[in-house]
Amino acid sequence: KAGVTQTPRYLIKTRGQQVTLSCSPISGHRSVSWYQQTPGQGLQFLFEYFSETQRNKGNFPGRFSGRQFSNSRSEMNVSTLELGDSALYLCASSLVAGVAYNEQFFGPGTRLTVL
Amino acid sequence: AQTVTQSQPEMSVQEAETVTLSCTYDTSESDYYLFWYKQPPSRQMILVIRQEAYKQQNATENRFSVNFQKAAKSFSLKISDSQLGDAAMYFCAYRMLSGYSTLTFGKGTMLLVSP
Repeated sequence: KAGVTQTPRYLIKTRGQQVTLSCSPISGHRSVSWYQQTPGQGLQFLFEYFSETQRNKGNFPGRFSGRQFSNSRSEMNVSTLELGDSALYLCASSLVAGVAYNEQFFGPGTRLTVL
Repeated sequence: AQTVTQSQPEMSVQEAETVTLSCTYDTSESDYYLFWYKQPPSRQMILVIRQEAYKQQNATENRFSVNFQKAAKSFSLKISDSQLGDAAMYFCAYRMLSGYSTLTFGKGTMLLVSP
């Protein structure tokens, strides 16, 4: 079974631009979560989607948004990029949402650099 | 709010030796899950071990075991017979049992393994 895939793997953008990252979950998984990983703040939860609905949201500004499609694939969008948005963005999938013991399987991440 | 603290930014161990990584957390919940995740350099994060707070018995997965002290809110990871492939960033994480809870991560401990 294929793992979680994220595209693109690397991105370089300039301040003020916007960016869209994509995540394809493991086949049969319906929940997708997004995390931002930086050296200073560690891993921080962005949002979780299940059945095309946002189920939970972290403490990030409205410039960060996401969506989930009917095939469970998810995208996240960051508008008006700032230097501080440079990070590794991780996507994780699980069978369902709201079940704590469900293992989350992580993708390789998208490394975003904002210049 | 729940917090997870890993007080050791970096640890070193020699092959075949045993190392213990520390983690403490703060929560007012009585039921929750605790996890240790491993993130090798430039590779995907994977789940190493998980512990249900309502189980007194410490979880074990091959060479990996935990020491869960609920009253002290402590959750350390012991790696026995360390191998070169154990070199990675290790993250301790917490998740509430109820509702659409999310993973809260510590800032990680980089484990270095020398021959």
